[in-house]
Amino acid sequence: DAKTTQPPSMDCAEGRAANLPCNHSTISGNEYVYWYRQIHSQGPQYIIHGLKNNETNEMASLIITEDRKSSTLILPHATLRDTAVYYCIVRRDYGQNFVFGPGTRLSVLP
Amino acid sequence: EAQVTQNPRYLITVTGKKLTVTCSQNMNHEYMSWYRQDPGLGLRQIYYSMNVEVTDKGDVPEGYKVSRKEKRNFPLILESPSPNQTSLYFCASRPRTGAGYGYTFGSGTRLTVV
Repeated sequence: DAKTTQPPSMDCAEGRAANLPCNHSTISGNEYVYWYRQIHSQGPQYIIHGLKNNETNEMASLIITEDRKSSTLILPHATLRDTAVYYCIVRRDYGQNFVFGPGTRLSVLP
Repeated sequence: EAQVTQNPRYLITVTGKKLTVTCSQNMNHEYMSWYRQDPGLGLRQIYYSMNVEVTDKGDVPEGYKVSRKEKRNFPLILESPSPNQTSLYFCASRPRTGAGYGYTFGSGTRLTVV
C-alpha cells in the first residue's frame, strides 16, 4: 500500500473551512484514499473515501487531484468538535490492514 | 445501531494473570481486526480475521492470541500479560469487499498491566 505524508498539525478558526492535505505520490491505480479521524482516545471514525472522483458526504468533501498523487479533505464549517487527529490512508479495496500514520492534529479555535 | 462493541472499557490487571477482551459486531462483517495504540507509535495491527476460523498475525502479534469461532465475535486473549502490553486496544470490523468500505472501530479498551 502507498505511503502518505500529512502535516503534523494545523489550526482552523471555528466556522471556517478546514482543508487538510495529504500527499500520496506512489499511489497505484487500484488504491483508494481513505480519511479517518480520532477524537481524543476514542476509536477512529471513518469520514470518507474515494478512488478517482471527488466525493462528498454529510461530514466532509474529498478532493483528489487528477494525477491522484495528492488529496485534500475539506470540513466546510469546522466546529470545536472537529478538533481531532485526521488520518489519510491509501490502500486497496481487498486486504485487511489499514496502516495509520501519525496523521494531522487539527485544532479548531474559537 | 450498527456497531462494534468491546468490553471492558477499562481494565487493570497484574502481570501473568490471563485476561480476555471481548469484541462483537452486529453488521455481519467478514473481516475483524485488533489494533493497539501507544504514544508515538500510532495504531498497530495485532491480529486479523478474514472469516470464521481464519485468523492471521498482524504487525505486533507477540503475547496475544485470538479466536474466531463465530462471525460476530473476535476476542483478544492475553495468556500472560506483561507491563509492555499496557496500551489502548481497538477492535474493528469491515465487509470483505465492496466499494472500498473501511473499518468500523469500537470505543476502545484501556488496559493497564502492573
